[in-house]
Amino acid sequence: ETGVTQTPRHLVMGMTNKKSLKCEQHLGHNAMYWYKQSAKKPLELMFVYSLEERVENNSVPSRFSPECPNSSHLFLHLHTLQPEDSALYLCASSQAHERETQYFGPGTRLLVL
Amino acid sequence: LAKTTQPISMDSYEGQEVNITCSHNNIATNDYITWYQQFPSQGPRFIIQGYKTKVTNEVASLFIPADRKSSTLSLPRVSLSDTAVYYCLVGDPYNFNKFYFGSGTKLNVKP
Repeated sequence: ETGVTQTPRHLVMGMTNKKSLKCEQHLGHNAMYWYKQSAKKPLELMFVYSLEERVENNSVPSRFSPECPNSSHLFLHLHTLQPEDSALYLCASSQAHERETQYFGPGTRLLVL
Repeated sequence: LAKTTQPISMDSYEGQEVNITCSHNNIATNDYITWYQQFPSQGPRFIIQGYKTKVTNEVASLFIPADRKSSTLSLPRVSLSDTAVYYCLVGDPYNFNKFYFGSGTKLNVKP
């Protein structure tokens, strides 16, 4: 138990579906992150929220939409995904001033059919 | 891009000391070096972090030479449960273009 929980742990969705991934941290942190981990590829940082404000990253397709309603919760909204988006999606949290030291959740294994 | 380079895999035996080296030639002045461990179907777990010279905690040691272009994670007396992927990380996560996790080193500890 790292203090970061993610739901669901597994998700299968069609390309026309809309789904959301949820992350919650119980560590009192004020920065949260979404990562994508594909087979045989490095971990890819997708989104960062620091003090509930999003740090801009224009390289992620708009079919991924993050939301951070408060410092403890983070969502990743998914719509019209592609099969190549199938991956392990990891959430992490940290203190904003110690952002290299992150605590990760167990991840959501996503399969897009 | 603060890219990192690590060996793809390493083998060791129980009780041995394991050293995993990471190259990060383009490390920036303000970058820390952080190492993570990841087991299958789990998120990465923080192991150790340093800026220069040597850092030691209850799990590992981290050696960083003066030029900071590489770092070495040292795991004393490994056990079977240390079989995992080890990632070297440099860069600031707030700077997407210079934050790089790397492909990791798969450590296989044999009995």
